[in-house]
Amino acid sequence: KQEVTQIPAALSVPEGENLVLNCSFTDSAIYNLQWFRQDPGKGLTSLLLIQSSQREQTSGRLNASLDKSSGRSTLYIAASQPGDSATYLCAVNNNAGNMLTFGGGTRLMVKP
Amino acid sequence: SAVISQKPSRDICQRGTSLTIQCQVDSQVTMMFWYRQQPGQSLTLIATANQGSEATYESGFVIDKFPISRPNLTFSTLTVSNMSPEDSSIYLCSVGRGSGYTFGSGTRLTVV
Repeated sequence: KQEVTQIPAALSVPEGENLVLNCSFTDSAIYNLQWFRQDPGKGLTSLLLIQSSQREQTSGRLNASLDKSSGRSTLYIAASQPGDSATYLCAVNNNAGNMLTFGGGTRLMVKP
Repeated sequence: SAVISQKPSRDICQRGTSLTIQCQVDSQVTMMFWYRQQPGQSLTLIATANQGSEATYESGFVIDKFPISRPNLTFSTLTVSNMSPEDSSIYLCSVGRGSGYTFGSGTRLTVV
């Protein structure tokens, strides 16, 4: 059974810092991995999707990497802004079209 | 990616009553997923809904408590039955393909 862990559980940084969120998973036979953002009380917004054959994906100030063999992914946020404050969720898909397994999330606070 | 319309966005319900949550997708999809997010927690899969067959429930979730309908390839409902305060959560529907998963905006349920 796939298990997904995110570290740290919470993070508070001053505006402008570069930061790294970590995600690890126990079963490396994944189909893809997706990073989401969730604002308090809201639904999920997809940030980046990495297919199992890819090493990284970039969107603006966000960069996600994937090391499938070691069961790890990182989300790098450059030049953080207060608007980045949210919970970031990592989710793993083991089979195309099947359910996602979520990590516990990292709650990020970026202080002005 | 698919666009999902989920409603209601929030509701406050009396214990012992039932609430039906609806999700409408803008394209045909084979499987739809229903998740629960309890306060301060990550997402847990309730069930997978295929059109034309019974939903498949995860361990800890039963059809009598969370009946699901899937009348066609673009629509599904989840009912939370005989509610108690422990059912207070965010409920989300999701669809996915190899290109990633999309979530509805969520239903924030408070049971009093």
